[in-house]
Amino acid sequence: NAGVTQTPKFRILKIGQSMTLQCTQDMNHNYMYWYRQDPGMGLKLIYYSVGAGITDKGEVPNGYNVSRSTTEDFPLRLELAAPSQTSVYFCASSSTTAVSPLHFGNGTRLTVT
Amino acid sequence: GENVEQHPSTLSVQEGDSAVIKCTYSDSASNYFPWYKQELGKRPQLIIDIRSNVGEKKDQRIAVTLNKTAKHFSLHITETQPEDSAVYFCAANGGTALIFGKGTTLSVSS
Repeated sequence: NAGVTQTPKFRILKIGQSMTLQCTQDMNHNYMYWYRQDPGMGLKLIYYSVGAGITDKGEVPNGYNVSRSTTEDFPLRLELAAPSQTSVYFCASSSTTAVSPLHFGNGTRLTVT
Repeated sequence: GENVEQHPSTLSVQEGDSAVIKCTYSDSASNYFPWYKQELGKRPQLIIDIRSNVGEKKDQRIAVTLNKTAKHFSLHITETQPEDSAVYFCAANGGTALIFGKGTTLSVSS
């Protein structure tokens, strides 16, 4: 039981490039989330999903897209990367609604130069 | 939507002292309030949570209190130890997802 797995761990992008951050969980959780963490700013919700085929915007969705074709996978896509997207990205899952603990992945550190 | 304010942003204590971190939230419909601890370079991990039908919850040296009328909740750590040094985040469930405070960096010196 690996929990929530994120790849890659580190990535450097040039301005304007695109990439997909991968997230998969093996706990059969319906709820999955993407957060970004900037120094001194806490964790900001980008997108979340309550089940396969259903996604919704969080606090800071601009510049990102998500999809949820299976229960296990919740990839985050960055189109036209900008320096403002330099951050640590955490994927998380929970078994029920937002009244149960989040299980976080180990994070992806992204630098856009 | 939900907004969570957390204070202080940094907190320094001597080993053995108590530490208190406070959070306020804006959405009166929120009913779940977890606290996460994040060590340097690691992922956040749940340390304690409380639901709105409970006013206080304790787990060894850690306790959380909730005042729904005032819309604030607090984390209390007693007999602090150097390994308690970390960033602590409070959160509230604004709708379907957790909204986090900005974090408190706790430093415990021996």
